[in-house]
Amino acid sequence: DTGVSQDPRHKITKRGQNVTFRCDPISEHNRLYWYRQTLGQGPEFLTYFQNEAQLEKSRLLSDRFSAERPKGSFSTLEIQRTEQGDSAMYLCASSLVAVLGAETQYFGPGTRLLVL
Amino acid sequence: AQSVTQLGSHVSVSEGALVLLRCNYSSSVPPYLFWYVQYPNQGLQLLLKYTSAATLVKGINGFEAEFKKSETSFHLTKPSAHMSDAAEYFCAVRGTGNQFYFGTGTSLTVIP
Repeated sequence: DTGVSQDPRHKITKRGQNVTFRCDPISEHNRLYWYRQTLGQGPEFLTYFQNEAQLEKSRLLSDRFSAERPKGSFSTLEIQRTEQGDSAMYLCASSLVAVLGAETQYFGPGTRLLVL
Repeated sequence: AQSVTQLGSHVSVSEGALVLLRCNYSSSVPPYLFWYVQYPNQGLQLLLKYTSAATLVKGINGFEAEFKKSETSFHLTKPSAHMSDAAEYFCAVRGTGNQFYFGTGTSLTVIP
């Protein structure tokens, strides 16, 4: 297993454009999370999936953001009409929910977005 | 509500010296606590986690953390710093709604 992968690793776009990021979790992991990280800050929760169902979404998440996990495997995060404030590192994490013990999230390398 | 506070956004230690990174948590339920390390332009890597078993938790790369309920703390330590330990360290707590809340991070510099 190669871990969580994200594509692309870097994205530069112009304000107003749409962007889409992909995350491939660790095989058999049933939960997938998206986070946003800005410079000097810790990851901020955006949303998460249990299999293909999106169970929770941050109240701070703009309607311009949407995420899918159509077959319960990979996930995509789309940002419509990007703004300069969307510039950040977007991190994906996956986990396997166990009956006992704490859920452990494994993170991908992130996609760094720059909106000009 | 759950949250973590990391005291000290920047910590510098000499190579071979003790590393101490501080984390205090707030949780309305027995917490699950984590320490992650992040190297430049990379994702987060799990160092260790507390799951209500032993209060002293050992992790990778010689790091350990002690859960102290009375102090609501989960400080990260390493007896002897190595140059390769220079990175950003994040403390996190798992919330009741499966959200993970991260601290703002502590940047560790190791001076040769």
